[in-house]
Amino acid sequence: DTEVTQTPKHLVMGMTNKKSLKCEQHMGHRAMYWYKQKAKKPPELMFVYSYEKLSINESVPSRFSPECPNSSLLNLHLHALQPEDSALYLCASSQAPQRDILYEQFFGPGTRLTVL
Amino acid sequence: DAKTTQPTSMDCAEGRAANLPCNHSTISGNEYVYWYRQIHSQGPQYIIHGLKNNETNEMASLIITEDRKSSTLILPHATLRDTAVYYCIVRAEETSGSRLTFGEGTQLTVNP
Repeated sequence: DTEVTQTPKHLVMGMTNKKSLKCEQHMGHRAMYWYKQKAKKPPELMFVYSYEKLSINESVPSRFSPECPNSSLLNLHLHALQPEDSALYLCASSQAPQRDILYEQFFGPGTRLTVL
Repeated sequence: DAKTTQPTSMDCAEGRAANLPCNHSTISGNEYVYWYRQIHSQGPQYIIHGLKNNETNEMASLIITEDRKSSTLILPHATLRDTAVYYCIVRAEETSGSRLTFGEGTQLTVNP
């Protein structure tokens, strides 16, 4: 199984809602990532988890709250978002980085989020 | 990580080789060249990577110049399904999580 799954595929939420995005992989990967992609722009890294611990936060606003409950699951909790947060949210996973070795990242199809 | 420069768009005829260039003149000795692509409405997909030597896999070939300041991704027989944005990424090893910093990429359109 070389697939990263993301749910839901589409999400529409108001600025006062609380919602969560879910990502799952069963490749035994110990690094997981959240990226944000605005229309016609490249993906931008938001968070990196390594061995279920947050290792990189790219100065993301606190209205985005990541969670890695176990090695297969990655969540992104959303609260009080703004319309400009509308984007495609991509999850990825890889083997945990080791010295002198860089591993490819496997991406899910993304969740298309619209904030009204 | 070193910055990369790619053409905004390219066209290729179906069945012909697609050669996608990338400049990375500030690359340092421990930085690898990675290529990913993103087909419309899908997540990015890894294609190939290399450090110094040319590399080939079932998807593509990667040619890196001797001075490592530029590289070319070659899709030997492009198909319509290869229409995508192709990202050239230069990244160094890290032990605390691996950043992928995407540039603007090249929109490759394969025409029938």
